[in-house]
Formats: sequence, structure tokens, C-alpha cells
Amino acid sequence: RKEVEQDPGPFNVPEGATVAFNCTYSNSASQSFFWYRQDCRKEPKLLMSVYSSGNEDGRFTAQLNRASQYISLLIRDSKLSDSATYLCVVNGDGASGGSYIPTFGRGTSLIVHP
Amino acid sequence: DAGVTQSPTHLIKTRGQQVTLRCSPISGHKSVSWYQQVLGQGPQFIFQYYEKEERGRGNFPDRFSARQFPNYSSELNVNALLLGDSALYLCASSSTPTEEAFFGQGTRLTVV
Repeated sequence: RKEVEQDPGPFNVPEGATVAFNCTYSNSASQSFFWYRQDCRKEPKLLMSVYSSGNEDGRFTAQLNRASQYISLLIRDSKLSDSATYLCVVNGDGASGGSYIPTFGRGTSLIVHP
Repeated sequence: DAGVTQSPTHLIKTRGQQVTLRCSPISGHKSVSWYQQVLGQGPQFIFQYYEKEERGRGNFPDRFSARQFPNYSSELNVNALLLGDSALYLCASSSTPTEEAFFGQGTRLTVV
């Protein structure tokens, strides 16, 4: 099993749709979690951190489920400009057997069409 | 405010050569990480430095090495280049190793 797994997609949705991505991780000692957005041939840009209690930033909601070891990203009211690849990142803190190594998923491709 | 800056932006090398990539972190950030990204994959972790010490190393051969300087900038060196080393090399900086990281625009390396 890969350390961090994402469905590569593509997810093809119309404008205004709600879409959700999941990202599963294998290391139960993981401590911090993030979602990044990457446009074609550009660097990843931080979208949001993922907190244990869940967090929201405008149309974006991130959640963490430690029991089932996954994080999720929900995008409401999709815009054309949301078309990109969404990468999840899982980090340990180096303690209790956790790794410092930040591990990226391979990314989920989202295409929002008119 | 300047973000993470990487140089050069593009590079073409021949097999067997050596390359040095450079990264300047965001001011105040003491952690720098290096990643390799090939098309269709997420970034693969190569090294992480924090306070000038190596804090993590990914599954890359010894041909890959890095260091961090007193001003927290960093260099990634790759020796004996192979065709398979062609990729986008990304540098990211953060305040500490586990906090949110910000990426530079990357160096696109082509080995011919």
C-alpha cells in the first residue's frame, strides 16, 4: 500500500457543481496535513491546512478522519478557474516513529467545464 | 515580499555531467525541502534541511546531495546525471519542518 493515495481522476464536473476528493494515508503517526493546488507546469500552491476539527475557507472545506486515516477536500460551487490538480500532503513530526518526510499524493485532476 | 526563489529556471545537461540547483527561502524560514516531480506524479521528497542540518532524506541515490548555508539558502547537487533525472526540481521553504511549505517556481532539468 502506498503511503499516500489519491484517485488521479480526472473529475470532470460542470460549473456550480460540488466535488469532493479523498486522500488516504498509511502512517498513523502522521501529524500534519495539507492540500495544495497545482496548475499545469507550475509549482504547487498551498490551498489550505487540514485541522483535526475540520476547517473551511470560502468554497473549500477540508476534513481529517484519523480513525479511518484519510483527509478530504470539498469544493462547492465549482468555478472554471478551479480546474487544476489537487495534491494532498501528509507529514510526521519525527517523534514516536513518525517521519519528517512530507509525502505527497500523486494528485487528483479536476476539470470544470461550462 | 519575495517568495521562494530558485535558479536556474531551465537547464539542459548531458548524461554524466553534474548539476547544482539553488534555492533561497522566504525571509525568516529556516527549513528548506527539495522535491523531484515527473509528469503525472506528485512531488517526490529528496531532502529536508532545518537550521542547517539534514532532517530527512528520501529514497534517492547517493548521486543526490544537498546542503544549507548559514543564511538558510540551499543547494541541491546531482552527480553523474542520467536521462531519468530529467524532471522539475522544486524547493519549498517553511518556518519549521512540519508547518505549511511554500514552493519556488522550480528548475526544469533536461538530461540529454
